[in-house]
Amino acid sequence: AQTVTQSQPEMSVQEAETVTLSCTYDTSESDYYLFWYKQPPSRQMILVIRQEAYKQQNATENRFSVNFQKAAKSFSLKISDSQLGDAAMYFCAYRVSGNTPLVFGKGTRLSVIA
Amino acid sequence: SQTIHQWPATLVQPVGSPLSLECTVEGTSNPNLYWYRQAAGRGLQLLFYSVGIGQISSEVPQNLSASRPQDRQFILSSKKLLLSDSGFYLCAWKRSFGSYEQYFGPGTRLTVT
Repeated sequence: AQTVTQSQPEMSVQEAETVTLSCTYDTSESDYYLFWYKQPPSRQMILVIRQEAYKQQNATENRFSVNFQKAAKSFSLKISDSQLGDAAMYFCAYRVSGNTPLVFGKGTRLSVIA
Repeated sequence: SQTIHQWPATLVQPVGSPLSLECTVEGTSNPNLYWYRQAAGRGLQLLFYSVGIGQISSEVPQNLSASRPQDRQFILSSKKLLLSDSGFYLCAWKRSFGSYEQYFGPGTRLTVT
């Protein structure tokens, strides 16, 4: 069974600094997709960034970037120039191709210190 | 553009009462639909998903059920609520073809008293 592990229940970062959130996953599939979702206090789940496993280039969305290490089954999220609005729960998620549902990690709560 | 709606936004129900939560998607056809539950401070638990009208896959057998009476409507129900049913319920959708992102609705906060 596929599993997603986020080993950091809580993290904190100073405003304007950089923070990296860790995620590892377990799969025997070769074709899959990885995601990071943000859940602010409103609890709305927001897609932050996505990565296709067949792409070697790491995805980037403005201040958010990933470090995708396929052989190590690692998918970390880097947030640069952290802002107060980045404070949220962050969930790593995985799916194989097709209609299968996302498999989520347990989340990392990120605090941003002014 | 596509939008997803959930209602009600909040709900307080006594133990043993019935439940009906509704989710609708606009701007797309034949979406894949999903129901998740999130307990306070915890991760997301997949409850049900549907790839078409009348097609429901259950991930967690319990006193909840789901139905998809129309293409873009997904309903979560219970005949008798338990205290353990309290939580935050999220509906999500995904295009059936050509895309792999999953998008979430605003959620329903259910408190069973």
